[in-house]
Amino acid sequence: GAVVSQHPSWVICKSGTSVKIECRSLDFQATTMFWYRQFPKQSLMLMATSNEGSKATYEQGVEKDKFLINHASLTLSTLTVTSAHPEDSSFYICSASLGVNTGELFFGEGSRLTVL
Amino acid sequence: EDQVTQSPEALRLQEGESSSLNCSYTVSGLRGLFWYRQDPGKGPEFLFTLYSAGEEKEKERLKATLTKKESFLHITAPKPEDSATYLCAVRPSGGYQKVTFGTGTKLQVIP
Repeated sequence: GAVVSQHPSWVICKSGTSVKIECRSLDFQATTMFWYRQFPKQSLMLMATSNEGSKATYEQGVEKDKFLINHASLTLSTLTVTSAHPEDSSFYICSASLGVNTGELFFGEGSRLTVL
Repeated sequence: EDQVTQSPEALRLQEGESSSLNCSYTVSGLRGLFWYRQDPGKGPEFLFTLYSAGEEKEKERLKATLTKKESFLHITAPKPEDSATYLCAVRPSGGYQKVTFGTGTKLQVIP
């Protein structure tokens, strides 16, 4: 299977600061990556679709100015949580698929964000 | 809107006690149904893709089956290391790749 690496695996920050999470596809090129958020005992919620070389597509209800996504290359997408607040504390997971016509997603290890 | 419902929410089995997890889905044309395993504090690990009713896939003690309305993940003679949350997801046919996930079944296998 394809390998997706995510960093950092956990981060603690003060309220009002910004945090960047990186997602890399290690052994394949990903023109599209997906960012999810997961609350305890809840399903994965798609936040946005990250497209290489173009603007991300955000799901309804997700603030694009709060969650900045950049897909600078075919192997790297970043999620920046700007001016983080305690309610932004969550588990963030990125994923990628091998191609447009393949459905399965391969996930990174996830990043646990805690905002104090 | 696509929907995925998994049951039971939690399942506790003795080691060696076989059982099945259920995933019921509603989707406007199915491109694929996926099963994932998720350990605490980790991202989901891909297990299977099923594309059409009647299809079956196996991996070690796991076997996934698919009908037009639901999928089952059968676990035969489970071991403690099979303890995890199992997620089901569907991808609709069409151009957009959005995948909808269920809330998962948390499986605990007791030695």
